[in-house]
Amino acid sequence: QTVVTQEPSFSVSPGGTVTLTCGLTSGSVSDIYYPSWYQQTPGQAPRTLMSSTNIRSSGIPERFSGSILGNKAALTITGAQADDESDYYCVLYMRSGIWVFGGGTKLTVL
Amino acid sequence: EVQLLESGGGLVQPGGSLRLSCDASGFIFSNFVMSWVRQAPGKGLEWVSALSLSGTSPYFADSVKGRFAISRDNSKNTLYLQMNSLRVDDTAVYYCAKVVGWSHFDFWGQGTLVTVSS
Repeated sequence: QTVVTQEPSFSVSPGGTVTLTCGLTSGSVSDIYYPSWYQQTPGQAPRTLMSSTNIRSSGIPERFSGSILGNKAALTITGAQADDESDYYCVLYMRSGIWVFGGGTKLTVL
Repeated sequence: EVQLLESGGGLVQPGGSLRLSCDASGFIFSNFVMSWVRQAPGKGLEWVSALSLSGTSPYFADSVKGRFAISRDNSKNTLYLQMNSLRVDDTAVYYCAKVVGWSHFDFWGQGTLVTVSS
């Protein structure tokens, strides 16, 4: 069974840089999985941040960027702000109409 | 402006059925794959199901396969999720999501809560 891995939690100082990752328990993440990233605050619907590894969605600040780092997809926040404190989810398209979400990363900005 | 409005959630007993609807507007509904994603209380997002443009090719997560059915009415711009044999662990907020190609979800509804409890 495919499992997508994310750090359960991460902390960053205001103005700092943080990189969240999205991996596979078996194999490497690459562009063929169309990794995408979503931000969610409590009680709200997810918001799409990034698609196809590194394409920022409309209205998403440039401080958010996506990449492949080694064998994982990565979401980097440069110059973190207080309102970046959220849960972040990655999802991989496994082909054949199937997606698998990671468990999410709870980001604290303090 | 893209809008997705889910409805149909509520309280149901284990073993019961429920049908969710997602009314779409602001885009050409028949041109897009559509999907359902759920989130159990205090848990992460879980992909549930997706449906092709014409509605002829449905896909399901293993956790709901054989119990849930997905359909769409392109004349009404509406996506459906028929949930049968519901279990306590199906309790979640169910989100409708618009899919770009077969790659990612670009717009989300606000969700509808399904509670399975006796």
